[in-house]
Amino acid sequence: GAVVSQHPSRVICKSGTSVKIECRSLDFQATTMFWYRQFPKQSLMLMATSNEGSKATYEQGVEKDKFLINHASLTLSTLTVTSAHPEDSSFYICSAREGTGWNNSPLHFGNGTRLTVT
Amino acid sequence: DAKTTQPPSMDCAEGRAANLPCNHSTISGNEYVYWYRQIHSQGPQYIIHGLKNNETNEMASLIITEDRKSSTLILPHATLRDTAVYYCIVRVAYGGATNKLIFGTGTLLAVQP
Repeated sequence: GAVVSQHPSRVICKSGTSVKIECRSLDFQATTMFWYRQFPKQSLMLMATSNEGSKATYEQGVEKDKFLINHASLTLSTLTVTSAHPEDSSFYICSAREGTGWNNSPLHFGNGTRLTVT
Repeated sequence: DAKTTQPPSMDCAEGRAANLPCNHSTISGNEYVYWYRQIHSQGPQYIIHGLKNNETNEMASLIITEDRKSSTLILPHATLRDTAVYYCIVRVAYGGATNKLIFGTGTLLAVQP
């Protein structure tokens, strides 16, 4: 089955630094990837849609200059949390879907990245 | 966007069938119903999806009512490893490749020994 890999699985950084999270589709090409954030005991919240070769589309309330998304190839999207603060500590999860266009194939999710900002 | 309503929690005895309900009364004709589950501290796992017909795979069965306003996910023989939060999602569709999944609060299924 389709596999989505995230790296790193856990990261601890100091306040004010930037952290990059990678999301790779291992055995399929993904024109579109999605980034979610999940706080403890809450559901997943969609942050942005990452489109290969074009700018990401951010959900309302998500700062595009703080959460930089790059989707440079059909198998890799990265999320950079810039100038991280303790309130950015969260579980970040990416997902990708095989193929393009209008279809009903499911999204496949990575195993998430636990970010702790001290 | 079509919204889903699920009970916040359910218990199920190990070895018995787990029936998880979901209401989606505002679903549109071309919107699919997806089920995912999330085991603690992991990414969501795809289970099954359907449009109007009942579906079955190696993990579960999906029963969709004729009017499509509700559905039930059935785990035929629940095990302790099935303890997770189960999300019922109606896929928001804008056409093209940018259709996305919006997660609700889900149902925490606790399988009891």
